[in-house]
Amino acid sequence: DGGITQSPKYLFRKEGQNVTLSCEQNLNHDAMYWYRQDPGQGLRLIYYSHIVNDFQKGDIAEGYSVSREKKESFPLTVTSAQKNPTAFYLCASTQLRNTEAFFGQGTRLTVV
Amino acid sequence: AQSVTQLGSHVSVSEGALVLLRCNYSSSVPPYLFWYVQYPNQGLQLLLKYTTGATLVKGINGFEAEFKKSETSFHLTKPSAHMSDAAEYFCAVSDKGNQGGKLIFGQGTELSVKP
Repeated sequence: DGGITQSPKYLFRKEGQNVTLSCEQNLNHDAMYWYRQDPGQGLRLIYYSHIVNDFQKGDIAEGYSVSREKKESFPLTVTSAQKNPTAFYLCASTQLRNTEAFFGQGTRLTVV
Repeated sequence: AQSVTQLGSHVSVSEGALVLLRCNYSSSVPPYLFWYVQYPNQGLQLLLKYTTGATLVKGINGFEAEFKKSETSFHLTKPSAHMSDAAEYFCAVSDKGNQGGKLIFGQGTELSVKP
């Protein structure tokens, strides 16, 4: 079945450590996105990419980094510079010029 | 900058009652409009969307929404609530010049359904 796979589902990180969240899609979509979800705040855009080897900052990019070396993969690194990383992270993809975004099941990151 | 406001962070209805979730957006140019549903610890699933054409849009699971340009609203309704409708609902917009995944979300409305 086609879809978006995020892993792991739950992740625990010690303060001061970088951690990478995986997002893989087999929908042959060109565009991929990372969102952060906090209770009562909806989702906010972190980074997005429309083509391989190119990506753009979203509204809350500080403390995060991404790469897009392959069309199907868009990993997100939460760095130690991110002051409040505990959140639910969602990856999405779309076909360019298509208005529907498909979402993964999310990764819940907790800093301990 | 665009923004989306969902009135009411929690809405509770009885099974079989009308569901009404409110969404207003701020934009001088009508954007694309979406409603997504999220079950606990899950991703988002698209319920329905408005891009162009008929302003009353029907989606999955019996939901529908009406785009009202004069009111800058896109309220979500369902005539008869079912227990399985209990979830969090997000209204979102995207600029017509953007791709569908670059979305601005409202803060969400949690729907509870009482037996």
